[in-house]
Amino acid sequence: EAQVTQNPRYLITVTGKKLTVTCSQNMNHEYMSWYRQDPGLGLRQIYYSMNVEVTDKGDVPEGYKVSRKEKRNFPLILESPSPNQTSLYFCASYRKTGNTEAFFGQGTRLTVV
Amino acid sequence: AQSVTQLGSHVSVSEGALVLLRCNYSSSVPPYLFWYVQYPNQGLQLLLKYTSAATLVKGINGFEAEFKKSETSFHLTKPSAHMSDAAEYFCAVSEGMDSSNTGKLIFGQGTTLQVKP
Repeated sequence: EAQVTQNPRYLITVTGKKLTVTCSQNMNHEYMSWYRQDPGLGLRQIYYSMNVEVTDKGDVPEGYKVSRKEKRNFPLILESPSPNQTSLYFCASYRKTGNTEAFFGQGTRLTVV
Repeated sequence: AQSVTQLGSHVSVSEGALVLLRCNYSSSVPPYLFWYVQYPNQGLQLLLKYTSAATLVKGINGFEAEFKKSETSFHLTKPSAHMSDAAEYFCAVSEGMDSSNTGKLIFGQGTTLQVKP
């Protein structure tokens, strides 16, 4: 079954404690991306990757890091989380042609206290 | 640069009434356009997509959308709303990936559809 798997689904952490949200896809997609979803703001892109070892900033990259060492995995790293990073996060993957659908993970609801 | 605007953050209709969710885009090249739906506590799933074939696109659950280049619009419609259609809907645009663009998928701000009995 084609899918994007995110873990964990829910996470509560304290300010400054490093965390990683994992994302894995089984469709051999070139393109992977992280979004955060906040009320009234839609989905905003944090970082994206066009292929292995190729990553770039999206619209709201501050406070986040990513890596793409393997095609299937695209973890999101918060080195020092702050309360303004409390949000719902989605990972997505799709083919680089752009005319096929993006597949989304189920989301990670992060709360930073 | 590509962008997407969804008119109306909340739309309320009665069960059985027409659903119309508006989406306008800007793109420097012929775009690929998508509508996604998000049910509570779930990820996004594809409703339908336009990829330069037919301008009227039919999707799942009775939804359809029409690509109008002259109006730069891709509005989503459904003739008769059902209670199960209550969700958040996102319009998105992509230009594909080649030497001149990055293939980013840009989303609108979302429209919450409420269906009243």
